[in-house]
Amino acid sequence: SYDLTQPLSVSVSPGQTASITCSGHKLGDKYVCWYQQKPGQSPVLVIYEDNKRPSGIPERFSGSNSGNTATLTISGTQPMDEADYYCQAWDSGTVVFGGGTKLTVL
Amino acid sequence: EVQLLESGGGLVQPGGSLRLSCAASGFTFSSYAMSWVRQAPGKGLDWVSGISASGVNTYYADSVKGRFTIFRDKSKNTLYLEMNNLRAEDTAVYYCAKDRLIAATATVELDYWGQGTLVTVSS
Repeated sequence: SYDLTQPLSVSVSPGQTASITCSGHKLGDKYVCWYQQKPGQSPVLVIYEDNKRPSGIPERFSGSNSGNTATLTISGTQPMDEADYYCQAWDSGTVVFGGGTKLTVL
Repeated sequence: EVQLLESGGGLVQPGGSLRLSCAASGFTFSSYAMSWVRQAPGKGLDWVSGISASGVNTYYADSVKGRFTIFRDKSKNTLYLEMNNLRAEDTAVYYCAKDRLIAATATVELDYWGQGTLVTVSS
């Protein structure tokens, strides 16, 4: 089975840039998307096809994917961005999620 | 406005069965692949099963293969998950989610999620 690895936690100061990584074998050959989940809420798609933002997602959210690593970058991080973030890829009909990263803004 | 409303969760004994439903509205249900994703208490997201827009193609995580069945009824705009031989490790909130791409044969990205329904497997 295919595995995606994320750091358990990332901390960032308000206004700074947060980077969350997602690693997998030849991940750059696949499309990666990212979800944000706040406590008690359903996940929200924030990046799809490596680097595209759905309508309504702030421009401070961006993504990249190359080699074995995809990265979600949040520029000018705001307190409201504190949440769990999950990367996701798909292959042959099956979907794989990373274990999730808790982003703390302090 | 896209809406996905799950129902059917509850408390069930190990070895028991349950059927989850997801009522969809606000989009052309028969044009989109759909998935079920679960989240155990305090844990991460875990994809369970997916179905193509047509309903012809179905996909399952290894952990549920042979026990769970996904299907859809386009006349009722409803997605289902039939769960049999339930185990304690199936305890989770189960989310129904819609694929972003139209007419996909499998899930690529999930752009709308329901609020989830809790399944508890315990004696």
